[in-house]
Amino acid sequence: SAVISQKPSRDICQRGTSLTIQCQVDSQVTMMFWYRQQPGQSLTLIATANQGSEATYESGFVIDKFPISRPNLTFSTLTVSNMSPEDSSIYLCSVLGTPDRSSGANVLTFGAGSRLTVL
Amino acid sequence: DAKTTQPTSMDCAEGRAANLPCNHSTISGNEYVYWYRQIHSQGPQYIIHGLKNNETNEMASLIITEDRKSSTLILPHATLRDTAVYYCIVSGGGADGLTFGKGTHLIIQP
Repeated sequence: SAVISQKPSRDICQRGTSLTIQCQVDSQVTMMFWYRQQPGQSLTLIATANQGSEATYESGFVIDKFPISRPNLTFSTLTVSNMSPEDSSIYLCSVLGTPDRSSGANVLTFGAGSRLTVL
Repeated sequence: DAKTTQPTSMDCAEGRAANLPCNHSTISGNEYVYWYRQIHSQGPQYIIHGLKNNETNEMASLIITEDRKSSTLILPHATLRDTAVYYCIVSGGGADGLTFGKGTHLIIQP
């Protein structure tokens, strides 16, 4: 399965600033996903990022707040804009692997996440 | 994606089998059952998936009922490192992001 590196692993940010999170994959992948995990909560899908097209956002998430870039098949960034304390979360990048040979199902691989604290 | 129901938390003694149930009564015929786990401060880790048949790999076994409305993840010999939140997810297996529920917090007791 793919190996995913996320930067930064953690950061403390001031209210009103923006932070860009990087996701680097060791192999070319078509589908990349960004998730948010608020404190004590499960994961929520923010958007799907495909190379060569605009990201597709889930309900409740907008491009102005969470702009995403996908310049090539191994890299993506998520920016958290104009941050407030409510944006304090772990942000996770994930990629869709090649379909399982026997079942055809797709498996997601996740990065370790980027823990943001907004003061 | 079909919805799943899991117990909030479970305890299991170290060395014993941990059996984690999941109900997915609205599952569609083309939807897979996936299991992931998230150890504290890490990203989720894939464990196993299945469609109709029971499956086994080096990490766990997945037992799916004949009507596919429920399943059980079995960790045959639980260790302290298996303490984690376990997510049961039902999805069509296509190129979509998975929808995570609240999962089961499994605590392995020494």
